[in-house]
Amino acid sequence: DQQVKQNSPSLSVQEGRISILNCDYTNSMFDYFLWYKKYPAEGPTFLISISSIKDKNEDGRFTVFLNKSAKHLSLHIVPSQPGDSAVYFCAAIFNAGGTSYGKLTFGQGTILTVHP
Amino acid sequence: DTGVSQNPRHKITKRGQNVTFRCDPISEHNRLYWYRQTLGQGPEFLTYFQNEAQLEKSRLLSDRFSAERPKGSFSTLEIQRTEQGDSAMYLCASSTTGGDSPLHFGNGTRLTVT
Repeated sequence: DQQVKQNSPSLSVQEGRISILNCDYTNSMFDYFLWYKKYPAEGPTFLISISSIKDKNEDGRFTVFLNKSAKHLSLHIVPSQPGDSAVYFCAAIFNAGGTSYGKLTFGQGTILTVHP
Repeated sequence: DTGVSQNPRHKITKRGQNVTFRCDPISEHNRLYWYRQTLGQGPEFLTYFQNEAQLEKSRLLSDRFSAERPKGSFSTLEIQRTEQGDSAMYLCASSTTGGDSPLHFGNGTRLTVT
């Protein structure tokens, strides 16, 4: 039972263009969502997050959008840079107003390649 | 850099042997987690410690797996009688209190069971 799904195994974009990574979830109890980036031979690194009370969160070149009715979120990277090439994981949690702990449910990941 | 440290980075063992991994979290983090990642999948939750107390174990953690955090600092994950299906990347993470505190992951221990 894959509760968080990233249906695109890979994405290739040109440097300077927008990268859009998508994620769908099935569990309506999830109320906090995160994106992690992973380089080869390293652990995942936290990138950006969003609470279910918001529909958008922005941090520099990274913006996460949440559509609760569609149970869908996306990560936009603008402009994309070659150093952004990595595996991107979407993750979700039932945060319960901050009383929960980091039992994240991850998607399968999307490999992003940004070409110079 | 006082990030999460995991040792060893790689472990190759024969089926049936026992292995132990160590994780040193970020010093001020009282929460510690173990995750497992197999090829083509995202990390899967295994277990969680709040200080020295192990508060949750996933059903993925069979009786052959045991984790400890004896003094609320470093943690060990032991796998007894390893099987080929145990081959994976074992990731440790730590965080401060608060459900929205992001997890800081170590670089993992890659286990290969032959």
